[in-house]
Amino acid sequence: DTGVSQDPRHKITKRGQNVTFRCDPISEHNRLYWYRQTLGQGPEFLTYFQNEAQLEKSRLLSDRFSAERPKGSFSTLEIQRTEQGDSAMYLCASSARYGGGLSEETQYFGPGTRLLVL
Amino acid sequence: DAKTTQPPSMDCAEGRAANLPCNHSTISGNEYVYWYRQIHSQGPQYIIHGLKNNETNEMASLIITEDRKSSTLILPHATLRDTAVYYCIVRGSGNKLVFGAGTILRVKS
Repeated sequence: DTGVSQDPRHKITKRGQNVTFRCDPISEHNRLYWYRQTLGQGPEFLTYFQNEAQLEKSRLLSDRFSAERPKGSFSTLEIQRTEQGDSAMYLCASSARYGGGLSEETQYFGPGTRLLVL
Repeated sequence: DAKTTQPPSMDCAEGRAANLPCNHSTISGNEYVYWYRQIHSQGPQYIIHGLKNNETNEMASLIITEDRKSSTLILPHATLRDTAVYYCIVRGSGNKLVFGAGTILRVKS
């Protein structure tokens, strides 16, 4: 049973550097979500993909952030010119959702990537 | 999505049932109640969800009141490993999960 995996698990970088995180969803899940969690807070939504299409972005996702899911499988989240305020846990989740109708959709989370910007 | 209200913290003795309440008085007819938990420094873990009927799985039971304005997550025999932050989320037609502050459950020996 392979769940959602994320790489790396920890990243320390200096202010101004670029970082990229990877998420591998549960196979055959067509939706992939990114969330950010700062210390003492619940996770906050950043963006999500259905297959390869990025369908929604939060206002939290500044111009320095970009996410891709080129083949509808794994996804990358890149942060350019990191700032100390970017220090957080970045969480990825995946789900299977087909069609409209009722709002039943269970998202399964990965272990997260903890970013520290010095 | 409807807003939820949970107590900030609760204590439970090891081996006893932990009953975690959640109020969601503005819930709509097609909105599901989801429960996740997050153990320190890990990603949120899905526990259970329901719409109208009570639900049970290997981890927990979910009791939803008849008017659907509140629910209770029950961990039947809490262990020290159940110490975590528990999030009650009402998921509507929006796609994202909106997390509140959750309830810190401390299981004590």
